[in-house]
Amino acid sequence: AQKITQTQPGMFVQEKEAVTLDCTYDTSDQSYGLFWYKQPSSGEMIFLIYQGSYDEQNATEGRYSLNFQKARKSANLVISASQLGDSAMYFCAMRPSYNTDKLIFGTGTRLQVFP
Amino acid sequence: NAGVTQTPKFQVLKTGQSMTLQCAQDMNHEYMSWYRQDPGMGLRLIHYSVGAGITDQGEVPNGYNVSRSTTEDFPLRLLSAAPSQTSVYFCASSSTGSEELFFGEGSRLTVL
Repeated sequence: AQKITQTQPGMFVQEKEAVTLDCTYDTSDQSYGLFWYKQPSSGEMIFLIYQGSYDEQNATEGRYSLNFQKARKSANLVISASQLGDSAMYFCAMRPSYNTDKLIFGTGTRLQVFP
Repeated sequence: NAGVTQTPKFQVLKTGQSMTLQCAQDMNHEYMSWYRQDPGMGLRLIHYSVGAGITDQGEVPNGYNVSRSTTEDFPLRLLSAAPSQTSVYFCASSSTGSEELFFGEGSRLTVL
């Protein structure tokens, strides 16, 4: 079954430290995409980063990087130098095939950054 | 740069009432979709469309209807609202196969 699993309901990190949010996925397709979205308390969904299954290098976007381990089916989000504004819900999502734009979401991780 | 626009942002209904959540995008995207978000759960796909005149069901389609008469618009209809449809609804659009799905700001619906 196609599924995204986020096992950390909540995480705490001190400002300026790095934090890793875990995500594992399950799909039988060879061509798929992995996404991370941020949802602040205001409710909107903010796209952070994307990794294609055939991309050989880990995706990076500023302070965000995606630690893609294909054999382990994991796509962890690493936030470097955490800021107070990073406090939010973070969702991992998968597009299980390049032929569709349907996304399957995990249940999310609530990150709290403290001073 | 409007992107994906959803209306209304908030709505309270009584059980059995009908309503339509509007979604419009100005990016000429082929793909549009509706998700619902419930506490403790991720977003779940309700219906989606790969182009004007083409719609299909997602994971949780019961109680909802959609149509896609134009590229820009993808309304979601609740014909007879139920308390189980209390949720936050997100509309999204993208170019097929692109690396980003653009979301609207969400619509919070409460059914009493």
